[in-house]
Amino acid sequence: GQNIDQPTEMTATEGAIVQINCTYQTSGFNGLFWYQQHAGEAPTFLSYNVLDGLEEKGRFSSFLSRSKGYSYLLLKELQMKDSASYLCAVSDSNYQLIWGAGTKLIIKP
Amino acid sequence: GAVVSQHPSRVICKSGTSVKIECRSLDFQATTMFWYRQFPKQSLMLMATSNEGSKATYEQGVEKDKFLINHASLTLSTLTVTSAHPEDSSFYICSARAGLASETQYFGPGTRLLVL
Repeated sequence: GQNIDQPTEMTATEGAIVQINCTYQTSGFNGLFWYQQHAGEAPTFLSYNVLDGLEEKGRFSSFLSRSKGYSYLLLKELQMKDSASYLCAVSDSNYQLIWGAGTKLIIKP
Repeated sequence: GAVVSQHPSRVICKSGTSVKIECRSLDFQATTMFWYRQFPKQSLMLMATSNEGSKATYEQGVEKDKFLINHASLTLSTLTVTSAHPEDSSFYICSARAGLASETQYFGPGTRLLVL
C-alpha cells in the first residue's frame, strides 16, 4: 500500500529552527510537495522537490532523498505566524497526490 | 502564483436542500480539478478528481449521486451536494492543476458548509 508518515505534532520556540520529517512508500514517484495549512484555512503551497537535494526558499527549505524515501521541511527563524499544520504529499506514478496526515507545529514565545 | 477562487466561502442550509460550490482558476487553465473534504482536526480527504470535459473519478466511499461534479470548462468546476444532511457539514476545498507538466495543485480558500 501507499503510505506517508510524518509526526503528529511538534513544538518549537520563536526564533529557533525546526525540522519536520516525512517518509514515504508509494507506487512510483513524481515529486514531493509541502503545504502549510493554518487552522480553518485551505492549504497553501510551500515547496516541490523531484530531485535529490535541498531547495531553499527564504526561511523555508525542503530536502529530498529518493533512495531513502525521505524528505524534511526546515523552518528557520521561527515566527508565531508559522504555527500551522504542515502537510507532506507525494505524487505517485499516476500523478495522484498521496497525503500525509500533517504535522501540527506549535510555536511558543 | 496561481490563484484559485471558491464561492461561496460559507453556506448554511436546511437539511434536504442542495448546495452548489464553484471553483475557478483565475489566471491559468486547469485541466484537472480536485475536490477535498476536511472534518475538524482531521486530514484532507480527496473526494473526486475531475478533468475538463469528462466525468469525474470518485474515491471509494464517495457517493457520485450525492456529490455531483461538473467540470464544464478549463477554469470552472462545480460541486453540488444534493439533499444535504447534517453529516455533510464540513470544509470543502477545491484545488486545480494546470497539467502533468505543472503538477502543483493550488488550493481554493475553501467553503464551510453547515447543514441544519
